[in-house]
Formats: sequence, structure tokens, C-alpha cells
Amino acid sequence: AQSVTQPDIHITVSEGASLELRCNYSYGATPYLFWYVQSPGQGLQLLLKYFSGDTLVQGIKGFEAEFKRSQSSFNLRKPSVHWSDAAEYFCAVGASGNQFYFGTGTSLTVIP
Amino acid sequence: DTGVSQNPRHKITKRGQNVTFRCDPISEHNRLYWYRQTLGQGPEFLTYFQNEAQLEKSRLLSDRFSAERPKGSFSTLEIQRTEQGDSAMYLCASSRRRGGADTQYFGPGTRLTVL
Repeated sequence: AQSVTQPDIHITVSEGASLELRCNYSYGATPYLFWYVQSPGQGLQLLLKYFSGDTLVQGIKGFEAEFKRSQSSFNLRKPSVHWSDAAEYFCAVGASGNQFYFGTGTSLTVIP
Repeated sequence: DTGVSQNPRHKITKRGQNVTFRCDPISEHNRLYWYRQTLGQGPEFLTYFQNEAQLEKSRLLSDRFSAERPKGSFSTLEIQRTEQGDSAMYLCASSRRRGGADTQYFGPGTRLTVL
């Protein structure tokens, strides 16, 4: 069965520090992987996606993610966090164009 | 490309009442999805349409829930005889069918509170 695990419920980083959010997935076929960001009371905004090819993908707002098949991971990174990055981050695996399976999310707090 | 829109943004209702939400997808997107998100959780799939056909429904979608997408454009999600457990954010997403997995674009959601 498809599933996504985000081990970190909450992360706090200082502004300007680097960030890594973890995501592990379980999926029987080639995964299609996504990261979304959600601000309080808002919908989800797509940060980046991986379908195939280069395992390091670049997204918006300076985010990147690396797909590691051997570890079933798709971790999100940013070299220098800004206060505006404080939000909830969701990793998702897409099942052949149909439903997405989301993790439970990681809440990011940025301290000055 | 104006994005996915949802109305209303907030809905407060009393237990036992019926509610209806509307979703307008990105134009020319032929797939439309409904998700439910409760506090502290990720979105959970409810159902999706390809054009006007409802192709898949989750077990979360009880018989009190019904979704339609007439003419393959906007969609409505109706909840009959609401219960307090229905309180959640209801998210709509749309995509354009390509090969493999589609990229889903989400609306701002409708937050339902059942008193």
C-alpha cells in the first residue's frame, strides 16, 4: 500500500540557517513525488515535483529536493531559510495520475 | 490561468443541516479532485472526476457525501445531515491529464465547522 512518512512533526530553525525536511515513501512502482507548502488557513502550493530523470530537482522559493530510490526518500532542502518560509510542509506520492497520498506534514518555525 | 477557486471559504452549520461547496478548476483541466484535511493531518483523498465522470471514491466518502461535476466544469460537494466529525477543511484540486502522475493544483479550501 502507498504511504508517506514525515518523521518530524515540528522543526525550528534560525533565520539564515539551512533546512532539511525528511520524507520517506512506500510505493510499489516508480513514484511520482511532490512537496507542497501550506500557510495557515490556506490551500497547498506546489514547491517542486519529481517524475523521472535527474534525482535533484529544483523548485520555487529556493527549495530543492533529492530523490534517493535506495532509501525511499525525497528530502526537501533549503540552504538559507527566510522568516517567510514558516509554514506547514507536505510530502506526497502520486499514484498514476489518480489520488495523492500525503504525509502528516512538518510544521516549520523560523526564529529571528 | 486564474487558479482553482472554492466557495464559500468558510461555512458554519448546525449538526443535521446540509451543506454544499463549489469548486471551479483551472480552465482546461479535465481532472478534479476533492480532499479532506483535519487538524494536524495531511489531506486525505475523497474522490476524483475525469471530465464529468466520477472515477474513484474513497471509503471516507460515506453515503451522506455526494459530488458532482456536471458538464465537466465546476464541481460541487454536498454533505447531508452533517455531523460534528465532518468539521474539516475541504480542498479541491485540478490537473490536466498527461501520462503518469498529474501535477495537482489546489484551491484555498472551504473550512467547515459543524456545531
